[in-house]
Amino acid sequence: SQTIHQWPATLVQPVGSPLSLECTVEGTSNPNLYWYRQAAGRGLQLLFYSVGIGQISSEVPQNLSASRPQDRQFILSSKKLLLSDSGFYLCAWSPLAGGKTGELFFGEGSRLTVL
Amino acid sequence: GDSVTQMEGPVTLSEEAFLTINCTYTATGYPSLFWYVQYPGEGLQLLLKATKADDKGSNKGFEATYRKETTSFHLEKGSVQVSDSAVYFCALSDRTSGSRLTFGEGTQLTVNP
Repeated sequence: SQTIHQWPATLVQPVGSPLSLECTVEGTSNPNLYWYRQAAGRGLQLLFYSVGIGQISSEVPQNLSASRPQDRQFILSSKKLLLSDSGFYLCAWSPLAGGKTGELFFGEGSRLTVL
Repeated sequence: GDSVTQMEGPVTLSEEAFLTINCTYTATGYPSLFWYVQYPGEGLQLLLKATKADDKGSNKGFEATYRKETTSFHLEKGSVQVSDSAVYFCALSDRTSGSRLTFGEGTQLTVNP
C-alpha cells in the first residue's frame, strides 16, 4: 500500500533562518506531489505542485521554494523565514493516472512557528 | 477561477444532533467534489466524494449530494458523535486542475457529550 511521510512534525525557527521540510512517498511511482499551507484560522493554500522530477509549478509567489530531486521525494525550502511563514504545511500526493478524479492523499503535516 | 465557499464556523453541537455544513462552489465545466476531514494534529483524510451531478457520496454516516442546479455539496450526518469533532473541508477539482484541489476555508465542528 502507499504511504506518505513528512518531517519534521514540529519546528520552531527564528526569523531569517533557513527551512527544509521533506516529504517522501512509498509504494507508488510517478506520483503528482503537492505542498499546501494552512495558516491559523484559514483554509488550505496550494503552494507548489510537481508532475515529475525537477518539474515544479508555483501557485503563489513567496519566499519559499520547492524541489523534487527524486521521483518520490518533495522538499520545501526557504533561505530566510518570515513571521508570515508560520503555519501548518501539508504534503500530498495523487496518482498520475488517477489525476482526473482529483483525490489527494495527505501526510501528517509539519507545524512551523517562526519567532 | 474556481472557488469553494463553506459555511462559517465554528459549529458546536450536542451528541446525537443533526449536522449540516453548507458548501457551494464556482467552477467551469463539471468538477469533482470532495469532503476532507482533519482530526486534531493530523493531516487531511478524504471523507467522501462525488464526481458527477446527482451523485451521493457517503462514508461513516456522512452524506453529501452533488447538486449542479444549486452548485452545492452540503455535508450531512443524522447523529453526530464526540469523535466527529474535527475540521471539515469542502473541495473541488476540475478537468484543467486535475488533482490541484481548490479548498474551502474549513469548518470547525465540536461535538459535546
